Order: sequence, then structure tokens, then C-alpha cells
Amino acid sequence: AQKVTQAQTEISVVEKEDVTLDCVYETRDTTYYLFWYKQPPSGELVFLIRRNSFDEQNEISGRYSWNFQKSTSSFNFTITASQVVDSAVYFCALRGYQKVTFGTGTKLQVIP
Amino acid sequence: DVKVTQSSRYLVKRTGEKVFLECVQDMDHENMFWYRQDPGLGLRLIYFSYDVKMKEKGDIPEGYSVSREKKERFSLILESASTNQTSMYLCASTDSPWRTGNTIYFGEGSWLTVV
Repeated sequence: AQKVTQAQTEISVVEKEDVTLDCVYETRDTTYYLFWYKQPPSGELVFLIRRNSFDEQNEISGRYSWNFQKSTSSFNFTITASQVVDSAVYFCALRGYQKVTFGTGTKLQVIP
Repeated sequence: DVKVTQSSRYLVKRTGEKVFLECVQDMDHENMFWYRQDPGLGLRLIYFSYDVKMKEKGDIPEGYSVSREKKERFSLILESASTNQTSMYLCASTDSPWRTGNTIYFGEGSWLTVV
């Protein structure tokens, strides 16, 4: 079975605060990919990052950073100094050998 | 740029009608997926296909079928539409496992209302 859990349904932060979005996954595959997507109010899904199961190196890209920990099956996403434009629904996803499973999403609201 | 095109952006259908949602991708991807997105439930996988004429059930296949006669086209079929199938439907494609990229590309979505 393959499962992605995003326990946070909605988060509200004040602009310039840091925020971390949690993602926990389950899979029996030994090789897999993890993704984060952003869905702004306009509706399109925007690809943010992909990590494979062999690469636990954490990554920083501008205000975004990702923390992949295989030991806890987590792939968390942090936005530093949040901005109003970060307001969106964020989805974590897991790709096993063929199937791609998404979490239920975390709605982030950044208040000016 | 990869393009995933869904034929209809907005549809309104009557209960009991047969509904076809078409999806075409232009990057020779082997894998294609159909999801539905509902508030609070995220994206749920309906069906996927890893090759022409191949299909696999996702997590919520009941009430749906699919067709993949050509590599670039993946159709979702609602045999007899019901009001609980009112939703946004998203098509996606990606290259075969472990080849380059593996980014999942999405269409713009099809908003289906069943009345």
C-alpha cells in the first residue's frame, strides 16, 4: 500500500513568519520519488521539488527548503519569511514504481 | 515544454449520461493518470496507464473506466454519470519509472457538474 499523510489541513501565518508543512509517507517500494506541488487559487498545479529515495540531502532554494528523513518517512517543506503570494494549497506526493499518490493538501494562508 | 491538454474545461451533464473526458500529452510519456480533486480530500487516483492498452485501477475506480488506444491519449469515461461525480478532474503524465525527469505534468483540469 502507498499512502501520503498531510496532517495539517489549514495553516495561517502572518507575513514574514516561517512556516513548515509536514508530509509523512508509507510505501513498500525501496525506490521512490517524493514531490511537492503548489496549487494557487488559479487552480494549476505547480511543481516545486522532487527527491528520490536514495538522496537524503536536504535542499534550499531561495526561501524554500526541504527536509527529507527516510528514518521517519517524512518529507517536510519550510517557507522562510512567508509572503502573501505563498498563499495556496500545497500537496505532497509519492511515486512508487508506477502509482503516484497525493496527500490531502495543506492550505496555507499568509496574512499581510 | 510538455503540454498536457484536457479537452473540456467546464462541462455540465445530466444524471445517467455517458461522459468522456479526453486528455492528450505531447511528450511521448508512457505513464498517464486520472485524478479527481475534491475539497478536503486532495487528489485521488482513479485510474492510471503505463502503456498503450494497459490500465490499472487507482484508489477510487468505481463508476469510471478508461481507454488508452494511443500513447498520447488517455480517456476517462463515466458510464452513467451521477451527482456524486461532480468534481474537478485532473489528467497527468510522466515518463516511465526511473528515466530522466519523472516530473509529473498536469493538465488544467476539467470541472464536471452532474445535475
